[in-house]
Amino acid sequence: GQNIDQPTEMTATEGAIVQINCTYQTSGFNGLFWYQQHAGEAPTFLSYNVLDGLEEKGRFSSFLSRSKGYSYLLLKELQMKDSASYLCAVKPGGFKTIFGAGTRLFVKA
Amino acid sequence: DADVTQTPRNRITKTGKRIMLECSQTKGHDRMYWYRQDPGLGLRLIYYSFDVKDINKGEISDGYSVSRQAQAKFSLSLESAIPNQTALYFCATSEGQMNYGYTFGSGTRLTVV
Repeated sequence: GQNIDQPTEMTATEGAIVQINCTYQTSGFNGLFWYQQHAGEAPTFLSYNVLDGLEEKGRFSSFLSRSKGYSYLLLKELQMKDSASYLCAVKPGGFKTIFGAGTRLFVKA
Repeated sequence: DADVTQTPRNRITKTGKRIMLECSQTKGHDRMYWYRQDPGLGLRLIYYSFDVKDINKGEISDGYSVSRQAQAKFSLSLESAIPNQTALYFCATSEGQMNYGYTFGSGTRLTVV
């Protein structure tokens, strides 16, 4: 089967750094995505990794290791507005995208 | 205006009723999708369309139908709503390469009582 695992919830402090992990087992691999979703709102695209390594975009970075079936999203200088769910999604190939259940991040003052 | 617009935002309907959720987009993308989101589960694909004449079932299409009325419009129908179709429904669009992922609409929260 195809599966994506990520922690259900995490809590971090404003100004700190948090790492959200994602592991996947899929029949193929054609890219990994991270989305941010605030409660009751649409997911919004954060990052796309298709090659191994770290992609940095401002306060957010995403890492991929294809051999380990592993990715993480790193959020630096946490702000209260970063409280949201973070969805990991993998494209095994073709049109299909498989989504994880998401990690709810709570940022406390 | 939003790039992907869904109507209605919220809807409560009774078991057995037919309901249509509508989606329109100004992104100019050919590819459009309908997903549903349930607590504790990942987004699951209901139907997708790569152009006006191309409609395909996703992983959970039973009980749903779709219509691609134009390049910019893609509607989802529940022919006879049942309570386990209570969920948050998202329309999404994408480019073919998907380097920028999906653009999602704001969602429709559907409750079937």
